[in-house]
Amino acid sequence: QAVVTQEPSLTVSPGGTVTLTCGSSTGAVTSGHYPYWFQQKPGQVPRTLIYDTSNKHSWTPARFSGSLLGGKGALTLSGAQPEDEAEYYCLLSYSGVVVFGGGTKLTVL
Amino acid sequence: EVQLVESGGALVEPGGSLRLSCAASGFIFSSQNMNWVRQAPGKGLEWVSYISGSGSVTVYADSVKGRFSISRDNAENSLYLQMNSLRDEDTAVYYCARGNGASWFYSWGQGTLVTVSS
Repeated sequence: QAVVTQEPSLTVSPGGTVTLTCGSSTGAVTSGHYPYWFQQKPGQVPRTLIYDTSNKHSWTPARFSGSLLGGKGALTLSGAQPEDEAEYYCLLSYSGVVVFGGGTKLTVL
Repeated sequence: EVQLVESGGALVEPGGSLRLSCAASGFIFSSQNMNWVRQAPGKGLEWVSYISGSGSVTVYADSVKGRFSISRDNAENSLYLQMNSLRDEDTAVYYCARGNGASWFYSWGQGTLVTVSS
C-alpha cells in the first residue's frame, strides 16, 4: 500500500501564507490521485475543504486553495486566521483505494 | 437536514465481532457512495472501506481486508460495517462519510467508538 506524506507540523503568522504539501511514495502526485484536503479541530469531526485537487465546497473559506506543486498535492492558506489552527489531512486515491496522509498540525502564531 | 448517525460501537474482546450502523437522512441515500473512516485515539485518519450507491462495488483497506465487510440497505437508508476477528489496533472512532457528486467525502457523521481490549 502506498504511503502518503505530509509535514508533521507548520507554523504561520496571523495574516500570513503557508503551503501544506501531500506527497506519494509511488512518485509524483497528479490529478489522477484526486487529492483531498480535510481540516480537523480538536474534539471535532473532520470536514472536507478541497476535493479533486482544487475544488471547494460551499463551506470552504476562500483563503484556502488546492493545487499541484512540484510533484505534490498542495493546500495553500492565504491570510491565516486564528481559527485555522487545526490538523490538516490530505488523501490520495490509488485506483479506488484511498490513503490518508499522517496529517499536518498547523499552528497560527 | 442531512444527517449521518453512527451506532453500534462498544467494548469487545480481541477476536470478537461487532456490527456498526450508519443511519442516513436528508438526502437520496441510494444515489450516494459511502465510506467508513476510522481514527485511533490521538492518531490520524485511516480510510477503511467504500461502497457504491447500488452496493455492487466494495473496496477495503489492506488492514481490514478479509475481516471487515461493508454493506448497505437502501430501503432502510442504512450503511453497515461488519467487523470480525477484531484486534487491539482496530480500536478507534469509526466515522461514516457520504459522497455527493464528485466529492467522495461530502459530509461526515459524528462517529462511534470501538474499543478492542481484554
